[in-house]
Amino acid sequence: SAVISQKPSRDICQRGTSLTIQCQVDSQVTMMFWYRQQPGQSLTLIATANQGSEATYESGFVIDKFPISRPNLTFSTLTVSNMSPEDSSIYLCSVERDFGQGTRLTVV
Amino acid sequence: QKEVEQNSGPLSVPEGAIASLNCTYSDRVSQSFFWYRQYSGKSPELIMSIYSNGDKEDGRFTAQLNKASQYVSLLIRDSQPSDSATYLCAVSPTGNQFYFGTGTSLTVIP
Repeated sequence: SAVISQKPSRDICQRGTSLTIQCQVDSQVTMMFWYRQQPGQSLTLIATANQGSEATYESGFVIDKFPISRPNLTFSTLTVSNMSPEDSSIYLCSVERDFGQGTRLTVV
Repeated sequence: QKEVEQNSGPLSVPEGAIASLNCTYSDRVSQSFFWYRQYSGKSPELIMSIYSNGDKEDGRFTAQLNKASQYVSLLIRDSQPSDSATYLCAVSPTGNQFYFGTGTSLTVIP
């Protein structure tokens, strides 16, 4: 299985600011996935990040709020823009069937 | 998002008993089905995948799939306290992107 590293592991941010989350994989993969897990909830797919093309967003998620980069086959970033307290969640990167350790975001 | 339904529980079983977890899904296109286990504060970890109708066994775990009824289940035999976790059912049209159910919290009582 893939080794997936996410940074930061946690952060506390002021409302109105943005946070970029990094995801590094130890092997080259075509698709990387970003999920959100709100407090006490299950995981919701945000978007699919393909190298060399724009990310594909799920219903309810937009590029202006969650811009994604995929500069190569082992790395992706997710930015949470103009944050509000409702964005407080765990954000997880996924490759194949494995998940990173997640980024716990608290917006104050 | 695809509709995936689970009984949220909590489900409590005594140690050594069989725990039965159920999941229904609405999307007939989905071809791959997965069960993840998530301990509190941790990321989900894959415990079972199933693609064809019928049963699939792996140690103490058995996954069951009925595509006609759009139903997938997980049985945990000889439940142990270490099995106490939230179990997430996931469906996938492609095998890589997942649509998760709400999860079932399982507690195994020693």
